[in-house]
Amino acid sequence: DQQVKQNSPSLSVQEGRISILNCDYTNSMFDYFLWYKKYPAEGPTFLISISSIKDKNEDGRFTVFLNKSAKHLSLHIVPSQPGDSAVYFCAASGGGNEKLTFGTGTRLTIIP
Amino acid sequence: EAGVVQSPRYKIIEKKQPVAFWCNPISGHNTLYWYRQNLGQGPELLIRYENEEAVDDSQLPKDRFSAERLKGVDSTLKIQPAELGDSAVYLCASSPDRRGRAWETQYFGPGTRLLVL
Repeated sequence: DQQVKQNSPSLSVQEGRISILNCDYTNSMFDYFLWYKKYPAEGPTFLISISSIKDKNEDGRFTVFLNKSAKHLSLHIVPSQPGDSAVYFCAASGGGNEKLTFGTGTRLTIIP
Repeated sequence: EAGVVQSPRYKIIEKKQPVAFWCNPISGHNTLYWYRQNLGQGPELLIRYENEEAVDDSQLPKDRFSAERLKGVDSTLKIQPAELGDSAVYLCASSPDRRGRAWETQYFGPGTRLLVL
């Protein structure tokens, strides 16, 4: 049972435009959400997070939006840069479980 | 500052053989995690240590997997015997934070890619 889903395995975006990566979850007990970025042959690195008490969190070019009623979160990158090309994982935690549940990842390619 | 170090980076073995992975966390990091990432999937936690104590090993298949973190620093993850389905990337991560939800301060190593033939 995949509790965190990233339905788009890949996404291509023109440099300078907005990249929008989506993530859906099924467990209503999740209350903390994170995005990780992963380059080839490297481990994931933390990018940005959001608590369920908020619906938006911004850090520079990265903004995460949370829609609790829809059990949906999205990561916006604007403007997109070639260095943003990577695999992006969303992850969730909550319900007294200290474990992170990861999605399957979306490969983002920024086209120069 | 050196990151999380893992070795080997790649390992190819035949099924039923044993295999071991080694992790050296970032200096001073008390919490250490082992994850398994299957092809096309996100990482899944196998075990979490706080110092030398395994505080969450509920996802570790204990019939064939074992882990240890002697002296609360380096850690090894062992599989014996390996099965075809164990082919995956094994990631080690560490954090200076003892809180269970120390996600933002969790640093991952590059992983060990295991192929079982």
